[in-house]
Amino acid sequence: QSVLTQPPSVSAAPGQKVSISCSGSSSNIGRRSVSWYQQFPGTAPKLLIYDSNKRPLGIPDRFSGSKSGTSATLAITGLQTGDEGDYYCAAWDDSLRAGLFGGGTKVAVL
Amino acid sequence: DEQVLDSGGDLVQPGGSLRLSCAASGFSFRSYAMTWVRQAPGRGLEWVSSVGVTGNTYYADSVKGRFTISRDNSKSALYLQMNSLRGEDMAVYYCAKGGVGEAGLDRWGQGTLVAVSS
Repeated sequence: QSVLTQPPSVSAAPGQKVSISCSGSSSNIGRRSVSWYQQFPGTAPKLLIYDSNKRPLGIPDRFSGSKSGTSATLAITGLQTGDEGDYYCAAWDDSLRAGLFGGGTKVAVL
Repeated sequence: DEQVLDSGGDLVQPGGSLRLSCAASGFSFRSYAMTWVRQAPGRGLEWVSSVGVTGNTYYADSVKGRFTISRDNSKSALYLQMNSLRGEDMAVYYCAKGGVGEAGLDRWGQGTLVAVSS
């Protein structure tokens, strides 16, 4: 069981919006930035969001991140079939002095 | 182009040792933290270890005392020495540029498979 909690799966029709939550605590998300990663089967993860709400060059603005208190959210708007994959949140934990990943959320396009 | 290339994965017996390597290019290696992340078959990502720019090291509890992360800035190389390997260490290991902090892990290797079996 991960310290950062994500829903196992979310789904929506093409063109719709999905939101993925990442729930942590005061020692990680509550005081640290969150990053989000996208992974397709058999491939390495890719950075989608850093510093909780910033997008690296080349990441479409359909992907957005936010943080409030001890939770963070990744939103994907204008959902496309190519967005189907696994999404992970990550943050540093000051108490554990360790990095943390959420358990991952599978996005399905109906 | 910024690149990290991980290697060294192999089949090893329980209790055995292995050293993973990561070759970085296209960026000022000494200016960035570096991280190892692993993924067991069919499972999610697990943070393993990070090394900062000053050489400070951090480990997951699951590998503390058995794994050692190190960096050689003169060679732009990152290493993970893995001792006393267990079945639960079997995974694809990824080298990544950065840490899970503000800037995130913005470059990933292709992954190298560590199999632990007798």
